[in-house]
Amino acid sequence: QVQLVQSGAEVKQPGASVKVSCKASGYTFTGYYIHWVRQAPGQGLEWMGWINVNSGGTTYAQKFQGRVTVTRDTSINTAYMELTWLRSDDTAIYYCARDQGGGYTALNHWGQGTLVTVSS
Amino acid sequence: DIVMTQSPDSLAVSLGERATINCKSSQSVLYNSNNKNYLGWYQQKPGQPPKVLIYWASTRESGVPDRFSGSGSGTDFTLTISSLQAEDVAVYYCQQYYSSPFTFGGGTKVEIK
Repeated sequence: QVQLVQSGAEVKQPGASVKVSCKASGYTFTGYYIHWVRQAPGQGLEWMGWINVNSGGTTYAQKFQGRVTVTRDTSINTAYMELTWLRSDDTAIYYCARDQGGGYTALNHWGQGTLVTVSS
Repeated sequence: DIVMTQSPDSLAVSLGERATINCKSSQSVLYNSNNKNYLGWYQQKPGQPPKVLIYWASTRESGVPDRFSGSGSGTDFTLTISSLQAEDVAVYYCQQYYSSPFTFGGGTKVEIK
């Protein structure tokens, strides 16, 4: 079965960077896009960006341009999201999610989420 | 960016009654070449990641109970729970995947009356 397993919770200081991993199993890793979505405490869902796992091509929401980088390592079926210059309002649960194929499709498999806390 | 506006923010429905959630996009998410609406509905229970219920605005995901249905086209969409069950208590989100950034609605919290 499809599984996305994310790395553990992180506590970072303002100005630092965080890199969250998302290990995929149960399907052909290069056949789908991986998206990153975050959720601040008690708030809604916010789409950050995606990676075409096959080509490595990425698209980011304008809000995160210049601060977010999504990469993948196809040898170990793992995608990564790195966010730099962290601020207190970056405190959130970060989810990776796999789409249904092709990029412009719904997200039908999700990781368990990684809590990133930004605090001095 | 396409803005997704959900209403209401919350609703309380008696067990067995109908729940209706609305979602409006600031521009059409209907792709004319394939006549598909690039709109999904998700359910999120406390402490869990979201789960897709409906995609292409009206196609039920495998394993989703048939009391969940989606309708609408263009800019106006509806998620209906025909007979609310206790396990349906959750926050529901719509999302457009027509154009980047793939924005979500603000969410609708469904509770038992």
